Amino acid sequence: DTEVTQTPKHLVMGMTNKKSLKCEQHMGHRAMYWYKQKAKKPPELMFVYSYEKLSINESVPSRFSPECPNSSLLNLHLHALQPEDSALYLCASSRGKGTVQETQYFGPGTRLLVL
Amino acid sequence: GENVEQHPSTLSVQEGDSAVIKCTYSDSASNYFPWYKQELGKGPQLIIDIRSNVGEKKDQRIAVTLNKTAKHFSLHITETQPEDSAVYFCAARSHYGQNFVFGPGTRLSVLP
Repeated sequence: DTEVTQTPKHLVMGMTNKKSLKCEQHMGHRAMYWYKQKAKKPPELMFVYSYEKLSINESVPSRFSPECPNSSLLNLHLHALQPEDSALYLCASSRGKGTVQETQYFGPGTRLLVL
Repeated sequence: GENVEQHPSTLSVQEGDSAVIKCTYSDSASNYFPWYKQELGKGPQLIIDIRSNVGEKKDQRIAVTLNKTAKHFSLHITETQPEDSAVYFCAARSHYGQNFVFGPGTRLSVLP
Protein backbone atom coordinates (compact mmCIF):
# COMPACT_ATOMS: atom_id res chain seq x y z
CA ASP A 1 0.00 0.00 0.00
CA THR A 2 1.52 3.28 -1.13
CA GLU A 3 -1.34 5.54 -0.14
CA VAL A 4 -1.10 8.98 1.36
CA THR A 5 -4.46 10.50 2.28
CA GLN A 6 -5.28 14.18 2.67
CA THR A 7 -8.30 15.99 4.06
CA PRO A 8 -10.19 18.02 3.13
CA LYS A 9 -10.12 17.75 -0.66
CA HIS A 10 -11.27 21.32 -1.06
CA LEU A 11 -11.18 24.27 1.32
CA VAL A 12 -12.44 27.82 0.98
CA MET A 13 -11.43 30.25 3.69
CA GLY A 14 -11.42 33.95 4.39
CA MET A 15 -8.31 35.88 5.22
CA THR A 16 -9.21 36.00 8.92
CA ASN A 17 -10.03 32.30 9.28
CA LYS A 18 -7.99 29.57 10.94
CA LYS A 19 -8.06 26.17 9.32
CA SER A 20 -5.95 23.01 9.21
CA LEU A 21 -4.97 20.56 6.50
CA LYS A 22 -4.40 16.95 7.45
CA CYS A 23 -2.24 14.22 5.96
CA GLU A 24 -1.95 10.58 6.95
CA GLN A 25 0.13 7.61 5.83
CA HIS A 26 0.36 4.05 7.15
CA MET A 27 3.41 2.88 5.24
CA GLY A 28 5.74 3.21 8.21
CA HIS A 29 7.45 6.16 6.56
CA ARG A 30 9.42 8.45 8.84
CA ALA A 31 9.80 11.46 6.52
CA MET A 32 6.83 13.63 5.57
CA TYR A 33 6.63 16.70 3.39
CA TRP A 34 4.37 19.63 2.57
CA TYR A 35 4.45 21.08 -0.94
CA LYS A 36 2.59 23.99 -2.52
CA GLN A 37 1.64 23.78 -6.17
CA LYS A 38 0.34 26.68 -8.23
CA ALA A 39 -1.44 26.09 -11.52
CA LYS A 40 0.82 24.88 -14.35
CA LYS A 41 3.86 24.81 -12.06
CA PRO A 42 5.79 22.02 -10.37
CA PRO A 43 5.40 21.37 -6.63
CA GLU A 44 7.43 23.68 -4.38
CA LEU A 45 8.77 22.29 -1.14
CA MET A 46 7.55 24.00 2.04
CA PHE A 47 8.48 21.79 5.00
CA VAL A 48 10.13 18.46 5.73
CA TYR A 49 9.68 16.40 8.88
CA SER A 50 12.11 13.61 9.58
CA TYR A 51 11.39 11.32 12.52
CA GLU A 52 8.70 13.75 13.70
CA LYS A 53 11.15 16.66 13.85
CA LEU A 54 11.11 19.63 11.51
CA SER A 55 14.25 19.32 9.43
CA ILE A 56 13.60 21.78 6.61
CA ASN A 57 11.60 25.00 6.43
CA GLU A 58 11.96 26.60 3.02
CA SER A 59 11.50 30.15 4.32
CA VAL A 60 7.75 29.75 4.47
CA PRO A 61 5.74 32.65 6.00
CA SER A 62 4.67 32.13 9.59
CA ARG A 63 0.99 32.12 8.60
CA PHE A 64 1.72 28.47 7.67
CA SER A 65 2.48 26.34 10.73
CA PRO A 66 3.29 22.64 10.35
CA GLU A 67 2.82 20.01 13.01
CA CYS A 68 3.74 16.34 13.16
CA PRO A 69 1.83 14.77 16.09
CA ASN A 70 3.16 11.28 15.35
CA SER A 71 4.91 9.31 12.66
CA SER A 72 1.70 8.77 10.65
CA LEU A 73 0.18 12.24 10.77
CA LEU A 74 1.14 15.62 9.41
CA ASN A 75 -0.88 18.81 9.80
CA LEU A 76 -0.59 22.24 8.26
CA HIS A 77 -2.24 24.99 10.28
CA LEU A 78 -3.35 28.04 8.32
CA HIS A 79 -3.99 31.50 9.73
CA ALA A 80 -4.44 34.93 8.17
CA LEU A 81 -3.74 33.69 4.67
CA GLN A 82 -3.61 35.89 1.60
CA PRO A 83 -5.39 35.32 -1.73
CA GLU A 84 -2.02 34.50 -3.32
CA ASP A 85 -1.81 31.49 -1.01
CA SER A 86 -4.57 29.83 -3.02
CA ALA A 87 -3.03 26.66 -4.46
CA LEU A 88 -2.99 22.88 -4.31
CA TYR A 89 -1.27 21.73 -1.11
CA LEU A 90 0.36 18.36 -1.42
CA CYS A 91 1.59 16.04 1.26
CA ALA A 92 4.21 13.38 0.56
CA SER A 93 6.08 10.75 2.53
CA SER A 94 9.20 8.65 2.14
CA ARG A 95 10.92 5.98 4.16
CA GLY A 96 13.23 8.44 5.90
CA LYS A 97 15.78 5.77 6.63
CA GLY A 98 18.64 8.00 5.69
CA THR A 99 19.12 6.72 2.16
CA VAL A 100 19.18 9.56 -0.33
CA GLN A 101 17.58 7.56 -3.10
CA GLU A 102 14.19 7.50 -1.48
CA THR A 103 10.96 7.60 -3.38
CA GLN A 104 8.42 10.19 -2.30
CA TYR A 105 4.77 9.21 -2.47
CA PHE A 106 2.26 12.02 -2.86
CA GLY A 107 -1.28 12.39 -1.64
CA PRO A 108 -4.09 13.77 -3.81
CA GLY A 109 -3.77 17.25 -2.38
CA THR A 110 -6.07 19.84 -0.83
CA ARG A 111 -7.20 22.58 -3.17
CA LEU A 112 -7.28 25.79 -1.14
CA LEU A 113 -9.03 28.98 -2.14
CA VAL A 114 -8.47 32.09 -0.02
CA LEU A 115 -11.03 34.84 -0.47
CA GLY B 1 22.12 24.08 -6.08
CA GLU B 2 20.45 21.73 -8.50
CA ASN B 3 18.60 23.07 -11.55
CA VAL B 4 16.42 20.85 -13.73
CA GLU B 5 15.25 21.78 -17.20
CA GLN B 6 12.56 19.88 -19.08
CA HIS B 7 11.53 19.83 -22.74
CA PRO B 8 9.17 20.11 -24.43
CA SER B 9 6.68 22.05 -22.33
CA THR B 10 3.79 20.63 -24.38
CA LEU B 11 3.64 17.54 -26.54
CA SER B 12 0.81 16.20 -28.69
CA VAL B 13 0.98 12.74 -30.22
CA GLN B 14 -1.42 10.45 -32.01
CA GLU B 15 -2.64 7.42 -30.14
CA GLY B 16 -0.25 4.54 -30.70
CA ASP B 17 2.75 6.78 -31.35
CA SER B 18 5.72 7.17 -29.01
CA ALA B 19 6.39 10.17 -26.77
CA VAL B 20 9.77 11.32 -25.47
CA ILE B 21 10.36 13.89 -22.75
CA LYS B 22 13.87 15.08 -21.94
CA CYS B 23 15.37 16.57 -18.79
CA THR B 24 18.78 17.96 -17.98
CA TYR B 25 20.25 18.57 -14.55
CA SER B 26 23.13 20.68 -13.34
CA ASP B 27 24.48 18.97 -10.20
CA SER B 28 26.80 16.10 -11.07
CA ALA B 29 26.26 14.77 -7.52
CA SER B 30 22.60 14.01 -8.24
CA ASN B 31 21.98 10.29 -8.19
CA TYR B 32 18.23 9.67 -8.15
CA PHE B 33 15.80 10.64 -10.91
CA PRO B 34 12.07 9.94 -10.56
CA TRP B 35 9.32 10.70 -13.04
CA TYR B 36 5.85 11.69 -11.88
CA LYS B 37 2.57 11.78 -13.75
CA GLN B 38 -0.06 14.26 -12.60
CA GLU B 39 -3.61 14.04 -13.89
CA LEU B 40 -6.00 16.92 -13.58
CA GLY B 41 -7.13 17.42 -9.99
CA LYS B 42 -4.81 14.74 -8.59
CA GLY B 43 -1.47 14.55 -6.85
CA PRO B 44 1.69 13.46 -8.67
CA GLN B 45 2.06 9.71 -9.03
CA LEU B 46 5.43 8.03 -9.42
CA ILE B 47 5.58 6.15 -12.71
CA ILE B 48 9.24 5.18 -12.93
CA ASP B 49 12.58 6.10 -11.42
CA ILE B 50 16.23 5.48 -12.10
CA ARG B 51 19.34 5.55 -9.98
CA SER B 52 22.70 6.76 -11.11
CA ASN B 53 24.27 3.31 -11.25
CA VAL B 54 21.81 2.24 -13.98
CA GLY B 55 21.67 3.49 -17.57
CA GLU B 56 18.18 2.35 -18.51
CA LYS B 57 15.07 1.00 -16.86
CA LYS B 58 11.87 -0.27 -18.42
CA ASP B 59 8.41 -1.01 -17.10
CA GLN B 60 5.99 -2.20 -19.76
CA ARG B 61 5.35 0.78 -22.09
CA ILE B 62 7.48 3.18 -20.07
CA ALA B 63 11.26 3.46 -20.08
CA VAL B 64 13.77 5.91 -18.69
CA THR B 65 17.34 6.41 -19.87
CA LEU B 66 20.12 8.21 -18.03
CA ASN B 67 23.31 9.71 -19.43
CA LYS B 68 25.42 10.76 -16.46
CA THR B 69 28.19 12.20 -18.58
CA ALA B 70 25.83 14.55 -20.38
CA LYS B 71 23.67 15.01 -17.28
CA HIS B 72 20.41 14.26 -18.96
CA PHE B 73 17.66 11.68 -18.65
CA SER B 74 14.63 10.93 -20.76
CA LEU B 75 11.19 9.36 -20.42
CA HIS B 76 9.98 7.20 -23.28
CA ILE B 77 6.35 6.14 -23.59
CA THR B 78 5.52 3.69 -26.37
CA GLU B 79 2.11 2.82 -27.82
CA THR B 80 0.56 5.88 -26.21
CA GLN B 81 -3.06 5.76 -25.09
CA PRO B 82 -5.51 8.58 -24.30
CA GLU B 83 -5.15 7.80 -20.58
CA ASP B 84 -1.47 8.75 -20.84
CA SER B 85 -2.61 12.37 -21.26
CA ALA B 86 -1.35 14.26 -18.20
CA VAL B 87 1.42 16.54 -16.99
CA TYR B 88 4.73 14.76 -16.49
CA PHE B 89 7.40 16.04 -14.10
CA CYS B 90 10.98 14.89 -13.93
CA ALA B 91 13.00 15.43 -10.78
CA ALA B 92 16.54 15.05 -9.51
CA ARG B 93 17.99 14.65 -6.07
CA SER B 94 21.53 15.26 -5.02
CA HIS B 95 23.46 12.78 -2.93
CA TYR B 96 23.79 15.59 -0.42
CA GLY B 97 20.17 16.66 -0.38
CA GLN B 98 17.04 15.19 1.07
CA ASN B 99 14.70 16.73 -1.43
CA PHE B 100 13.82 16.77 -5.07
CA VAL B 101 14.21 19.55 -7.55
CA PHE B 102 11.42 19.26 -10.11
CA GLY B 103 11.49 20.19 -13.75
CA PRO B 104 8.81 22.64 -14.96
CA GLY B 105 6.64 19.87 -16.42
CA THR B 106 5.46 18.63 -19.83
CA ARG B 107 1.79 18.55 -20.77
CA LEU B 108 1.26 15.44 -22.90
CA SER B 109 -1.88 15.11 -24.99
CA VAL B 110 -2.60 11.83 -26.73
CA LEU B 111 -5.08 12.38 -29.53
CA PRO B 112 -7.44 9.51 -30.38
